Amino acid sequence: AQSVTQLDSQVPVFEEAPVELRCNYSSSVSVYLFWYVQYPNQGLQLLLKYLSGSTLVKGINGFEAEFNKSQTSFHLRKPSVHISDTAEYFCAVSERGNEKLTFGTGTRLTIIP
Amino acid sequence: GAGVSQTPSNKVTEKGKYVELRCDPISGHTALYWYRQSLGQGPEFLIYFQGTGAADDSGLPNDRFFAVRPEGSVSTLKIQRTERGDSAVYLCASSLTRTNEQFFGPGTRLTVL
Repeated sequence: AQSVTQLDSQVPVFEEAPVELRCNYSSSVSVYLFWYVQYPNQGLQLLLKYLSGSTLVKGINGFEAEFNKSQTSFHLRKPSVHISDTAEYFCAVSERGNEKLTFGTGTRLTIIP
Repeated sequence: GAGVSQTPSNKVTEKGKYVELRCDPISGHTALYWYRQSLGQGPEFLIYFQGTGAADDSGLPNDRFFAVRPEGSVSTLKIQRTERGDSAVYLCASSLTRTNEQFFGPGTRLTVL
């Protein structure tokens, strides 16, 4: 069975500074990887996904993530954050051939003006 | 176009009562998923439908939980003899096919007193 670990439950960052949100996964088979964002009082929205091909994936709102198979990681990065990026971020994995998503516990990103 | 909708948005019930939670997926989406998100946690998979049939119900916690999708569109999650531990946000997601992006609804917040 797959699992996801998000080591940081909260990450405070100054506005316009870079940010990295960490995600590690565990699976015995090939996986698809996702980052979802949950803005206050809103539903989950897909930021980006890795299915195959290039290990560097670009998503919406200037976010990107890199799939590292040897380190079983899929860290999310943004070079310069804005107040509007304040939200909860969830990393998720699904095993190829098994569509259900397994989520991490989330990282709350707080932007400091 | 319309996204995934869920009703009610909030449901308060008493321990031991029966509840039904409804999900209207995006039109044309054949795959439908239910997840449960407890406070401070990521969403946890409950059940997955492909068309009318439950393709994977391995996440249902016990036999008090049941879900149906009789016409391959709207789905209802049914919880019998509710317990305080059932309190959570119940999320529904749909996708065009089983390998496509899952679009999430806003959730139903269930509170069992």
